[in-house]
Amino acid sequence: NAGVTQTPKFRVLKTGQSMTLLCAQDMNHEYMYWYRQDPGMGLRLIHYSVGEGTTAKGEVPDGYNVSRLKKQNFLLGLESAAPSQTSVYFCASRIKNRDRGRLVPQYFGPGTRLLVL
Amino acid sequence: KNQVEQSPQSLIILEGKNCTLQCNYTVSPFSNLRWYKQDTGRGPVSLTIMTFSENTKSNGRYTATLDADTKQSSLHITASQLSDSASYICVVSALTSGTYKYIFGTGTRLKVLA
Repeated sequence: NAGVTQTPKFRVLKTGQSMTLLCAQDMNHEYMYWYRQDPGMGLRLIHYSVGEGTTAKGEVPDGYNVSRLKKQNFLLGLESAAPSQTSVYFCASRIKNRDRGRLVPQYFGPGTRLLVL
Repeated sequence: KNQVEQSPQSLIILEGKNCTLQCNYTVSPFSNLRWYKQDTGRGPVSLTIMTFSENTKSNGRYTATLDADTKQSSLHITASQLSDSASYICVVSALTSGTYKYIFGTGTRLKVLA
């Protein structure tokens, strides 16, 4: 299993450009997440999905959109990139808790470094 | 406000030595506490997960403790190795209306020297 993969690894954008970050997992996980990690701050949740065709806003959703058309893929879109969106973006996934007494970890991808000039 | 604070921010130790990292939290309603290891340029990897009823959990040379009364957790690393050099992130989960919310600390950056 490849686990969680992210494409691209690194990207430079100009202000106002758009792009899509792709996250793919081969573990048949129901839940998927997009986070951003900035220096001096903990990971912050952008959007998440609890299943195919469903998405929800996280802590910092402004300026981002997401789609989960297939269970294994979770796309993060930036319609008009801004310098404030310069960050490292992590995708994560986990199985659904079917047993409340058993906690499950999130599995993270390797990250996408995005620089917006 | 839900917060997770970790200390120290950074730590340097010699290979073979032990160390303890601290995590204090103010998260409600508390569900569980997790420790992750994040190597430079990589995504976080889960080390331990503990509920409020567990006060210790081990994963090899890593031992996490939890005091739900004082809202403190620690991660103890025994006989450190060069490969332990990484950031260690404490994450506290709150369960609200059937949905888990994860609050991440800023991490402790550990450097192990030969």
